[in-house]
Amino acid sequence: GAGVSQSPRYKVAKRGQDVALRCDPISGHVSLFWYQQALGQGPEFLTYFQNEAQLDKSGLPSDRFFAERPEGSVSTLKIQRTQQEDSAVYLCASSQGTAASYEQYFGPGTRLTVT
Amino acid sequence: GDSVTQMEGPVTLSEEAFLTINCTYTATGYPSLFWYVQYPGEGLQLLLKATKADDKGSNKGFEATYRKETTSFHLEKGSVQVSDSAVYFCALRNFGNEKLTFGTGTRLTIIP
Repeated sequence: GAGVSQSPRYKVAKRGQDVALRCDPISGHVSLFWYQQALGQGPEFLTYFQNEAQLDKSGLPSDRFFAERPEGSVSTLKIQRTQQEDSAVYLCASSQGTAASYEQYFGPGTRLTVT
Repeated sequence: GDSVTQMEGPVTLSEEAFLTINCTYTATGYPSLFWYVQYPGEGLQLLLKATKADDKGSNKGFEATYRKETTSFHLEKGSVQVSDSAVYFCALRNFGNEKLTFGTGTRLTIIP
């Protein structure tokens, strides 16, 4: 079946522009996560949704970062007034539920380059 | 806070060599531990996991044992193949917390 998909796969933005990154989770998955992966580093948690409720946004680095999942399916991560330090791969993951036994399935990521 | 420290890379081995990638963690409570793999051009995928002390996770010939006394979860494989070339990430998920905390990753290259 279809996995987690993300679009666009690559995005180049000029400093100061706003960007929107989309995540389509696996159908029926309740939980959705966003991670940021800088070059040569491991992914770092940004935010987490259970259905449409954003239950944890402790990893969002600034108030320029905003995520939503209005109907409990597709999610969008928006970055306002992009800065060079925002350049990274943004990963989306989804899982069936919240128990430790549920695996997080990752999408291919969106590589954002801010020039 | 929770953290994961893993062996610096890159690691280059010959085919059929024995592999160990070290991983240690710091966490309160009783986390679940994971190894994820990222093959070239592909997304992160779960390789194996262990949810309590002394559990051994295994998959595709890889193994890792959850050692609470040494707070470690080292990845091992007895005979690596060229197709194992990838970046390997150790991660933990603490009880009551949904997010994964990752190490920095170890790039493994297997030469024929």
